[in-house]
Amino acid sequence: EPEVTQTPSHQVTQMGQEVILRCVPISNHLYFYWYRQILGQKVEFLVSFYNNEISEKSEIFDDQFSVERPDGSNFTLKIRSTKLEDSAMYFCASTEGGAVDEQYFGPGTRLTVT
Amino acid sequence: AQTVTQSQPEMSVQEAETVTLSCTYDTSESDYYLFWYKQPPSRQMILVIRQEAYKQQNATENRFSVNFQKAAKSFSLKISDSQLGDAAMYFCALDSNYQLIWGAGTKLIIKP
Repeated sequence: EPEVTQTPSHQVTQMGQEVILRCVPISNHLYFYWYRQILGQKVEFLVSFYNNEISEKSEIFDDQFSVERPDGSNFTLKIRSTKLEDSAMYFCASTEGGAVDEQYFGPGTRLTVT
Repeated sequence: AQTVTQSQPEMSVQEAETVTLSCTYDTSESDYYLFWYKQPPSRQMILVIRQEAYKQQNATENRFSVNFQKAAKSFSLKISDSQLGDAAMYFCALDSNYQLIWGAGTKLIIKP
């Protein structure tokens, strides 16, 4: 069964550094999403992406964040100048036909900012 | 603003028994979708069940079923014949314009 993959599984970085989280969505999917989950808290929507542009973004997704689909397979989340409060699990998801379809989630990347 | 509320931070049930997880939501949309996702200790998010708001019939998926009350904006999940593998965090989510709005989650504990 096709699956969404994410790398790395765990990223440790120092405050102020830039990180890039990588995701490979399911190949025939067209909609891509990033979510984050701070430990012990609920899942928060960050951004959705379709047709090479952002469809929707939350208040969390400020200028510190950016997304890119650099080639036909990868979908990346870049976090500039990381802060301690950026420590969280970051989940990538993809769907074939938009949010109304089942979102297939990747296993997540645990980001630890020290 | 669209919101999803799960009022039960934690629930426990005896193995083989039935448990119901509560979820209420608020939206001004007339057409929307509701989901229950499961997050086991591995942290991966797995879709449990999906309900289309325009369908009056409650969705079912094997041992999982929902009680969808559109007027009351309620969307509870019933798990029958609970199994040890059902132990997880369960999140209720509302689809709204390219994004999912998530509840805070309910931790489900299965007692052997």
